Amino acid sequence: SQTIHQWPATLVQPVGSPLSLECTVEGTSNPNLYWYRQAAGRGLQLLFYSVGIGQISSEVPQNLSASRPQDRQFILSSKKLLLSDSGFYLCAWMEGLNGYTFGSGTRLTVV
Amino acid sequence: AQSVTQPDIHITVSEGASLELRCNYSYGATPYLFWYVQSPGQGLQLLLKYFSGDTLVQGIKGFEAEFKRSQSSFNLRKPSVHWSDAAEYFCAVGLSYNTDKLIFGTGTRLQVFP
Repeated sequence: SQTIHQWPATLVQPVGSPLSLECTVEGTSNPNLYWYRQAAGRGLQLLFYSVGIGQISSEVPQNLSASRPQDRQFILSSKKLLLSDSGFYLCAWMEGLNGYTFGSGTRLTVV
Repeated sequence: AQSVTQPDIHITVSEGASLELRCNYSYGATPYLFWYVQSPGQGLQLLLKYFSGDTLVQGIKGFEAEFKRSQSSFNLRKPSVHWSDAAEYFCAVGLSYNTDKLIFGTGTRLQVFP
């Protein structure tokens, strides 16, 4: 069966520090992968999506970047975090028209 | 531009009462429609989906939703709410010309009183 792993679960980072959030998928190949951010009262904002290795589409200009070094690995990064980067980050994959399967999320607090 | 509206930010119901969460979309063609539920601090779980066919779809946990093309709506219902249903609910739309992405509403937070 397909599973998605996302870590860490929580993270507290100082302003200006780097960020790396990792997401991996098991049980499928060539999945579409997504990074969403959920800010309080603002629903889910699509940040990046990838349809294959090295293929990244950015939805919103921001302080973040994404990479897909392997078929089932999707990484969200930042060189210098801002206070506004705080939020709940969700990784998801989609296979065909079955909708998304989400990871359990990372709560990022930038202090 | 395509959009999804969940007009109710917060709903409170008593346990055992019926529930209807509203979702409206703006899109020129028939979209693919989804409802997700999110418990606090967790990821989102798929409740149900609609692609075509019968406009009343059944999902997990006793939920159902009805697609009404004339109203551009996909409201989520449950006849009798349980305390464990307290969570945030998201409606999402997939576009037929670009099934790579879903557009989400801003969510409805459901509170259940005993």
